[in-house]
Amino acid sequence: NAGVTQTPKFQVLKTGQSMTLQCAQDMNHEYMSWYRQDPGMGLRLIHYSVGAGITDQGEVPNGYNVSRSTTEDFPLRLLSAAPSQTSVYFCASRPEGSNQPQHFGDGTRLSIL
Amino acid sequence: GNSVTQMEGPVTLSEEAFLTINCTYTATGYPSLFWYVQYPGEGLQLLLKATKADDKGSNKGFEATYRKETTSFHLEKGSVQVSDSAVYFCAQGSNYQLIWGAGTKLIIKP
Repeated sequence: NAGVTQTPKFQVLKTGQSMTLQCAQDMNHEYMSWYRQDPGMGLRLIHYSVGAGITDQGEVPNGYNVSRSTTEDFPLRLLSAAPSQTSVYFCASRPEGSNQPQHFGDGTRLSIL
Repeated sequence: GNSVTQMEGPVTLSEEAFLTINCTYTATGYPSLFWYVQYPGEGLQLLLKATKADDKGSNKGFEATYRKETTSFHLEKGSVQVSDSAVYFCAQGSNYQLIWGAGTKLIIKP
């Protein structure tokens, strides 16, 4: 019963490096999203997808790219890491419908030096 | 625009005390409302939800009632335990995203 799986759990990068945070779900959910969580600011939406081949920007998309080639996978790419991107990143998925709850992964703690 | 406002924390209580965490929202229309809980080092888990006015969501002894007239969705529990220590988030469903409150850290002392 995997649910939403995020890898890695921890990562340290140097400024300017690029990397991809992986997210996979096995519940056949159409909707997936990426959030960042910073102290005192709750969760902020980075990008989301309503189905394979469809992505859109959330509240804080700058510096991040996403793609959705399959229903299961929704990777988040940092193009050129900056210290301001130090955060905890959560991937979530849910079935279609705004009254449906989201299912979250355990998060990736990312530090940019 | 749509928003969610939660009471600031941390909230510190003794075991078996009564808990209220306030949550109010602004929205056009009547969104679904949610409470999520985040235990230390973990992701967020759905605690309860309500999809229309006067609905009461409940789970694990927690309750919240969707109050349209006061645009509120306050979280309550009659007797808290140390294991309830966590961060609690109120959220509203809006089209393709959830709109989140800032979270309220709850600390329960034995």
